[in-house]
Amino acid sequence: GAVVSQHPSRVICKSGTSVKIECRSLDFQATTMFWYRQFPKQSLMLMATSNEGSKATYEQGVEKDKFLINHASLTLSTLTVTSAHPEDSSFYICSASSSGLTDTQYFGPGTRLTVL
Amino acid sequence: AQSVTQLDSHVSVSEGTPVLLRCNYSSSYSPSLFWYVQHPNKGLQLLLKYTSAATLVKGINGFEAEFKKSETSFHLTKPSAHMSDAAEYFCSGGGNTGKLIFGQGTTLQVKP
Repeated sequence: GAVVSQHPSRVICKSGTSVKIECRSLDFQATTMFWYRQFPKQSLMLMATSNEGSKATYEQGVEKDKFLINHASLTLSTLTVTSAHPEDSSFYICSASSSGLTDTQYFGPGTRLTVL
Repeated sequence: AQSVTQLDSHVSVSEGTPVLLRCNYSSSYSPSLFWYVQHPNKGLQLLLKYTSAATLVKGINGFEAEFKKSETSFHLTKPSAHMSDAAEYFCSGGGNTGKLIFGQGTTLQVKP
């Protein structure tokens, strides 16, 4: 149980285009989903927290107009990187929890974004 | 302020020998603590979780961790390392915000 998927696993795009990454909880309802960014050989950096049906809460320094997050249902959250630039290239990982406050986060397999 | 510190950025052991990955935390209240493992280009897999029940927590793949409040530690151990254990390990702490605070990560190398 507690499986989280991400799609796509890898994406290469041109500078200036937008890219959408999906995060799905396959066998449980995720009231809260989290989006992280991970640079090579580094730890995870929380970008934002999203609760189903409400606006995402972004961490300090994360541009909400650049990283659009939608959590339209209890099993799906999307991250859209708008007008992507090479510096946006990174490994993006989502996680999901069923209660959000103290429950365990289950992580997706990650999406490798490369912006040319 | 909450923080999680992994004391070693890199640990190298021989196959069949014990593994010790160290983690210290600071928190003004009883935390939830987790250990996750990440293989290259993969997401994080939960190894084990502490939530103020038993102080010795057993996880998957033979790993366990002991919560020691007096030492503010939550070290991860395994009696005998396997080649497949080579990966990046993250200690993390959660609280009443729902967010996880991650340590810097420890790379475990297992030599044959």
